[in-house]
Amino acid sequence: AQKVTQAQTEISVVEKEDVTLDCVYETRDTTYYLFWYKQPPSGELVFLIRRNSFDEQNEISGRYSWNFQKSTSSFNFTITASQVVDSAVYFCALSEASGGSYIPTFGRGTSLIVHP
Amino acid sequence: NAGVMQNPRHLVRRRGQEARLRCSPMKGHSHVYWYRQLPEEGLKFMVYLQKENIIDESGMPKERFSAEFPKEGPSILRIQQVVRGDSAAYFCASSPRGRRTDTQYFGPGTRLTVL
Repeated sequence: AQKVTQAQTEISVVEKEDVTLDCVYETRDTTYYLFWYKQPPSGELVFLIRRNSFDEQNEISGRYSWNFQKSTSSFNFTITASQVVDSAVYFCALSEASGGSYIPTFGRGTSLIVHP
Repeated sequence: NAGVMQNPRHLVRRRGQEARLRCSPMKGHSHVYWYRQLPEEGLKFMVYLQKENIIDESGMPKERFSAEFPKEGPSILRIQQVVRGDSAAYFCASSPRGRRTDTQYFGPGTRLTVL
C-alpha cells in the first residue's frame, strides 16, 4: 500500500530564510510518480511539480528546488530566501503506476508560515 | 487554456437542504476526481468519474452523496439533506487520460457551510 508522510505539521520562518519541507513515501511499486501542491490562504490547490521514480535528478525552479532520493524514499522541497507569499499549506502526493488505486495518496500537508 | 472551474465558490445551506456542486474539467480532460477537505485536515478522495461512468466511488459516504459526469455539461456532486458535518471544502480535479500517474489539476474548490 502506498503511504505519504509529511512529519512537519507546521513550520514558521522569517522572510529570507531557507526552509525545507520533508516528504517520505512508501510504495512497493518500482514505477511511481511524486507530486507537490501548494494551497495558499486563498484556498485553491496549485500544482508545483511531478517527478517519476526513474528520474532522481534534482529539480530547480527559481527559488524552489526538489531533492528526490530513492535510497531514503524522500522527495523534499526547499524554498530558498522565503517570502511572505510562500505562506501556504504544501502537500506531497504519490501515485503508483501499477498499484491498485487510480487515486494518488496525499500527505497531511505542512503549513508554512513566513513572517515579514 | 482555462483551468478547472468549480461553482459556486461558496455555498451556504441549512440542515436538511440539498447542496449541488459543479465542476468543469480542463479542456481536453475527461477524467474528474472529487475530494473533500475538512478544516485542518488533508485531502480525502471521494469519487473518480469519466464521462457517464463512475470508476471509483470508494471514498463516497454511502448515503446522501452522489456524483455524476454526464456526456454534456459539468460533473455534479450532490449532497442531499446536508448536516453540519458536511461543512468542508470540496475540490474537483481533472486529468487528461485517467492514467494512474497523470497529474491532477485542481479547481479552486467550493466551500460548503451548513448552518
